[in-house]
This record gives sequence, structure tokens and C-alpha cells, in this order.
Amino acid sequence: NAGVTQTPKFQVLKTGQSMTLQCAQDMNHNSMYWYRQDPGMGLRLIYYSASEGTTDKGEVPNGYNVSRLNKREFSLRLESAAPSQTSVYFCASRSRDISSGANVLTFGAGSRLTVL
Amino acid sequence: ELKVEQNPLFLSMQEGKNYTIYCNYSTTSDRLYWYRQDPGKSLESLFVLLSNGAVKQEGRLMASLDTKARLSTLHITAAVHDLSATYFCAVLRANTGNQFYFGTGTSLTVIP
Repeated sequence: NAGVTQTPKFQVLKTGQSMTLQCAQDMNHNSMYWYRQDPGMGLRLIYYSASEGTTDKGEVPNGYNVSRLNKREFSLRLESAAPSQTSVYFCASRSRDISSGANVLTFGAGSRLTVL
Repeated sequence: ELKVEQNPLFLSMQEGKNYTIYCNYSTTSDRLYWYRQDPGKSLESLFVLLSNGAVKQEGRLMASLDTKARLSTLHITAAVHDLSATYFCAVLRANTGNQFYFGTGTSLTVIP
């Protein structure tokens, strides 16, 4: 099915461990994003990638790294996880809506990460 | 710093009632989005508002945009239980084409 696929859906880490969240889209979109969602704070942009080979910081990049491996894939890495990184992470890609011509985001299902 | 504020954060309403969710933002933008999120699910696009005075309607939901006031509203008419969800507004930062900033979300519960 076309869309944005994230893995894993759930993960529990201990403080200091590392892990990578994977994201892939098969819609041939140029721009991809990583957000985190926390109660009462909405979605906050961690990093985004306007095109293959480019990445830029968002609102809350500290403690994260990203890789835009190719046009399809955009991964988010936590090198040394901290309890403050307990959150739900969403990957998204941007396309242009055919009817309105506006940029719109399509989201993955989310990855729930708990850091103990 | 760009801020997108929604109120209320929580809303409990009876079926059949009307209510409005407000979204204020602090930067110049003529692109305003509304998304819906069901518990444990991803975000689903509801509306894209592209200009000052834009109004979009889908079923019992109607969204509007006032770019001069930097305000968007999501009006719910005769609420039904199926509308229970969290609603987010988002702003596309002008001249970037890439940076979407989200509000805090409004958790809506419709009580039978």
C-alpha cells in the first residue's frame, strides 16, 4: 500500500542505549520530516529533509541525528537515549495536493518510544 | 519563535451541541491546516485553508481562516460521538515551503 511506513511501532530502551527509527515512503516525495508528539505540546519538528542528501534542524533537534539515505528513506537516530526522549515519533512526507495546489503532509502510523 | 496556540486544550461536549476550536499563530502565513487524530492513530488531513477568508466545510465541521488576525477556527455543528478525537491546526511558515508548525491540539470528547 502506498504511504509512509515507520518501524518499529513500539520500543523500550534503557537510558544510554542507542536506536534508529526507520521511515520509508513510496510516493516519490522530496521532503520528509520527523516530529515528536508529547501530551499538551502538540507535534514538534525534530529534523526535516527537503530533498535527498539534505537535512535541516527543526525546533527540537538536540539528542537526535538523521540520515536521508535516498529519496525513499529518512531515519532518526538516538545515540544515547534519555528519559526526556520518551515520546511518540511521527515521520511524514510532503506532497502537493492536486485539487488545491497546496503542500500537504502525509503521516506514518507513529513509533512509541519509552526510555527507562 | 513561531507559536501556534489552540484553545481549548480539552473539550467535553454533549451530542447535538455546537462549539468552536480556536487556533492562533504568531507568524505570517497564508497556509493553515487542520488534522484529526484518533487515539493511538496517526494524523489525518481534514482541511487546507489557502487564503484570507477561506472557508471549508465537511459534514459537521467547518474551518475558516483570517490571516490578518492570524486566527483560524474549527466549528463543530450538532456534535456526534464519532467526532471524538484530537484536532490539530498547523501553519506552514511563509517563504520556506517546508516547515510546518503544529498547535498543541484540542482533545474533543462528545458525550451521548
